[in-house]
Amino acid sequence: DAGVTQSPTHLIKTRGQHVTLRCSPISGHKSVSWYQQVLGQGPQFIFQYYEKEERGRGNFPDRFSARQFPNYSSELNVNALLLGDSALYLCASSFGTGSGANVLTFGAGSRLTVL
Amino acid sequence: DAKTTQPPSMDCAEGRAANLPCNHSTISGNEYVYWYRQIHSQGPQYIIHGLKNNETNEMASLIITEDRKSSTLILPHATLRDTAVYYCIVRLQDSNYQLIWGAGTKLIIKP
Repeated sequence: DAGVTQSPTHLIKTRGQHVTLRCSPISGHKSVSWYQQVLGQGPQFIFQYYEKEERGRGNFPDRFSARQFPNYSSELNVNALLLGDSALYLCASSFGTGSGANVLTFGAGSRLTVL
Repeated sequence: DAKTTQPPSMDCAEGRAANLPCNHSTISGNEYVYWYRQIHSQGPQYIIHGLKNNETNEMASLIITEDRKSSTLILPHATLRDTAVYYCIVRLQDSNYQLIWGAGTKLIIKP
């Protein structure tokens, strides 16, 4: 079975540019969450989407946005990139938001470098 | 801030049991303890979770103290492939997925 897939795996951008990261959840999973992981630190929660609606937002500026599509895939968009946005961006999927959806399955991440 | 405290690093000999401690002294009654690990340059991998009782699966065992203020993840027969950063997280059941991660424990398995 295919796991959580993310694209691109690596990308390099310059300050001020925009980036779109994509995530396809495990088949049957309806919830997608996004995390940012800076080198040497644990992941930080950015967004959670369930059934195309935002269900949670972390402490990130409005330059970060996301959406979920009818097929439950998701995009994370970051505008006006800063050097500090350089990080591994992780997508995780789960079946839902209730008690039967305790476990997050993560993708391998998209490594963003901002120059 | 993370609600858990873990040692920054640990070593373990290959084939021995690796015991990773986690302190969560402020845990509330409806918060679960979750363990994930992250092998270098990969996404985090779920290991196990529990509320009050000890839990065991094919990967590991989770021992939670009676007062729930601390727990220990046990890898019964560590292999070199178990070298990773191990994260202990507490979260509300049925909450959204705003997991708050600390820095984790870097576990190095030595041959």
